[in-house]
Amino acid sequence: QQQVKQSPQSLIVQKGGISIINCAYENTAFDYFPWYQQFPGKGPALLIAIRPDVSEKKEGRFTISFNKSAKQFSLHIMDSQPGDSATYFCAATAGGTSYGKLTFGQGTILTVHP
Amino acid sequence: EAEVAQSPRYKITEKSQAVAFWCDPISGHATLYWYRQILGQGPELLVQFQDESVVDDSQLPKDRFSAERLKGVDSTLKIQPAELGDSAMYLCASSPAPYGYEQYFGPGTRLTVT
Repeated sequence: QQQVKQSPQSLIVQKGGISIINCAYENTAFDYFPWYQQFPGKGPALLIAIRPDVSEKKEGRFTISFNKSAKQFSLHIMDSQPGDSATYFCAATAGGTSYGKLTFGQGTILTVHP
Repeated sequence: EAEVAQSPRYKITEKSQAVAFWCDPISGHATLYWYRQILGQGPELLVQFQDESVVDDSQLPKDRFSAERLKGVDSTLKIQPAELGDSAMYLCASSPAPYGYEQYFGPGTRLTVT
C-alpha cells in the first residue's frame, strides 16, 4: 500500500514538445505529492509539489495535475528543452502520520532532443 | 542559497571494511533523513531524525548500519562491515518542518564496494 507506481520508464521528446509523466498511488493517507528532478551524479532537487485539496498547480513550464478519486497525479513539462533532460521522480508522503517519509516512484528518464 | 552538505562525494572500499558518511543539513532544519538510492531506482529511506532522536529506522539494516545525530545538527551514517550489495548512492536530506514537507537533498555519496 506504500507503493507509488511511475510511468513511463523512459521518454523521448523533441524540443518544444510536451513531456508527460504519470504516477499512481494506493495509500489514501498520502497528503503531499512532490516531484524531484535528478541529474547524473547529483542529488534529487525539489521541482514542484501539490496537496490533494487542489487539482492543478503550475510553476513556469511545469504543471502537476492531480486526480484524487483516481489516486493519480502527473507532471507536464511544456515547451520541453534539452536542459530538461534528467531523471524525474514522483513521490508521496503521509506527512503527520509518517514524519514525512517520502515514498518514491521508480523514476522516468527524460531525453529532450534539440 | 543554503544547501545540504555531504562528504565524501565518492568512496571505494573493500567488502568487510567499515565506511562512514557525513551530512550537514541546512541550518535550522530539525528533520534529517538518510536515503539509499540504487542505480536506476528511486531513493529509499534508511533512517529519519527529528532533532537528535530517531523517529523511523524500520528500513535500516541494524546488524551492519548505524546512524547518529548527537547534537541534533550534523549526522553520520556508518556501515560495518560493508557488503557488495551496499554499493549505492547515499543521500542525505533535511526539512524545516517536523512532517517533512519540502525535503532538500544533498549531492550524495557514491559508495562502491569491491
